[in-house]
Amino acid sequence: GAVVSQHPSWVICKSGTSVKIECRSLDFQATTMFWYRQFPKQSLMLMATSNEGSKATYEQGVEKDKFLINHASLTLSTLTVTSAHPEDSSFYICSARQGPSNQPQHFGDGTRLSIL
Amino acid sequence: QKEVEQNSGPLSVPEGAIASLNCTYSDRGSQSFFWYRQYSGKSPELIMSIYSNGDKEDGRFTAQLNKASQYVSLLIRDSQPSDSATYLCAVRTGFQKLVFGTGTRLLVSP
Repeated sequence: GAVVSQHPSWVICKSGTSVKIECRSLDFQATTMFWYRQFPKQSLMLMATSNEGSKATYEQGVEKDKFLINHASLTLSTLTVTSAHPEDSSFYICSARQGPSNQPQHFGDGTRLSIL
Repeated sequence: QKEVEQNSGPLSVPEGAIASLNCTYSDRGSQSFFWYRQYSGKSPELIMSIYSNGDKEDGRFTAQLNKASQYVSLLIRDSQPSDSATYLCAVRTGFQKLVFGTGTRLLVSP
């Protein structure tokens, strides 16, 4: 149980394009979904928290106009990296949680984004 | 002071030995603690969660929590080469935010 699917797993695109990443909870309803970014040899850095049907809460220093998050249903959240640049290249990972905040988060397989 | 601190390692142990991974945290209001395993290039996988002081065992894994010392650890018995990975300690702080440590890299040699 507690399977989170993330798609695509790998994206290579030109600078200036926008990239959409999908995160789905397959066998549970995710009341809250999270988006993280991880640079090589560093830990996960939370970008934003989203609850179904409401606006995402962004962490300090994360541009909400650049990283658009939509959490339209209890099983789907999307992250769109708008006008991506090489410095946006990273490993983006979503996670989902069912229920209260003391419950664990379950992670998707991540999306490796490379901007040329 | 970092909110969650781990020794980056690598921690090297021979196959069959006990690997001991440690984590300290700064927020005394923290109530939930998790250990995740992350293989290179992959996303984290939940191994254990622990909420109260003492030990919690699950197969070869034992999580230990000492809230007075603000310390949580993970023991892996009978370590296998397949256990070689980075182990992330995550703490739910009093602000209900899950904070990850930088991880400890474990190497189990055959």
